[in-house]
Amino acid sequence: QVTLKESGPALVKPTQTLTLTCTFSGFSLSASGMRVSWIRQPPGKALEWLARIDWDDDKFYSTSLKTRLTISKDTSKNQVVLIMTNMDPVDTGTYYCARTLVGATVDYWGQGTLVTVSS
Amino acid sequence: QSALTQPASVSGSPGQSITISCTASTSDIGGHNYFSWYQQHPGKAPRLMIYDVSHRPSGVSNRFSGSKSGNTASLTISGLQAEDEADYYCSSYTRSSTLVFGGGTKLTVL
Repeated sequence: QVTLKESGPALVKPTQTLTLTCTFSGFSLSASGMRVSWIRQPPGKALEWLARIDWDDDKFYSTSLKTRLTISKDTSKNQVVLIMTNMDPVDTGTYYCARTLVGATVDYWGQGTLVTVSS
Repeated sequence: QSALTQPASVSGSPGQSITISCTASTSDIGGHNYFSWYQQHPGKAPRLMIYDVSHRPSGVSNRFSGSKSGNTASLTISGLQAEDEADYYCSSYTRSSTLVFGGGTKLTVL
C-alpha cells in the first residue's frame, strides 16, 4: 500500500525559509522509474507543480520558482525534502507530495499540509 | 495564465454526459500523450482519474473516459452522478520534463 505524508511548519514568517518533509511507504525511490513531486494549492485556487526528484537523483523545478526551490531525497529514510526560500504571503496554501510515474501520472498523493505565511 | 486552459465551470443533470476540455498553449506541452486528469472534492487531495490521455487506473469507474485531438485533451463523464460534483484538473508533461496543471474546472451536478 502506497502512502505519503507531508510534515513541516504550519506557519512561517515572510522572508523565512520553509522546509517540508515527505515521508512515504509502499515503494522505493531507488527503483527505476519512481519519482516524487511537490505540488501546492493556494486557498480556492488551482494546483501548481513545484518540483520533482527522480530515482536516479535527477531534479526538476518549476521555471517560475526554481531560484527558490531545492529538492532532495534520503532513500534510506524514504523521505523527500523540499526547501523554499524567501517565503511570501502569496505562498500560503496546501502543499502536497505525490508519487509520480512516467509522464504526467501522479498516482498517489499525500493528505497535504497547510502552510500559512504571515507575520 | 496557465499553459493548459480549461473552462472554469461545467454543469449537467444526473444521467447526462459532460466533457471538459484542456487545451495546451504550445506543442511543447501538447505534442505527446502524457495527459492526466484529477478529481478533487472540497478539502480532499486530488485523485488520479485518467492517465496517458485515456487510461483509467484500477478502481476508477468506466463512466470516466479521456481522449485527445491535436493539442486538446478531453475528459468525458457519462451517466453523471451527484458524487461526480467536484473540481477537475488536467495536467501535462512538458518537453523540459516538468509538469503543468490546468486552471481547473468546477463540475456542478444540477
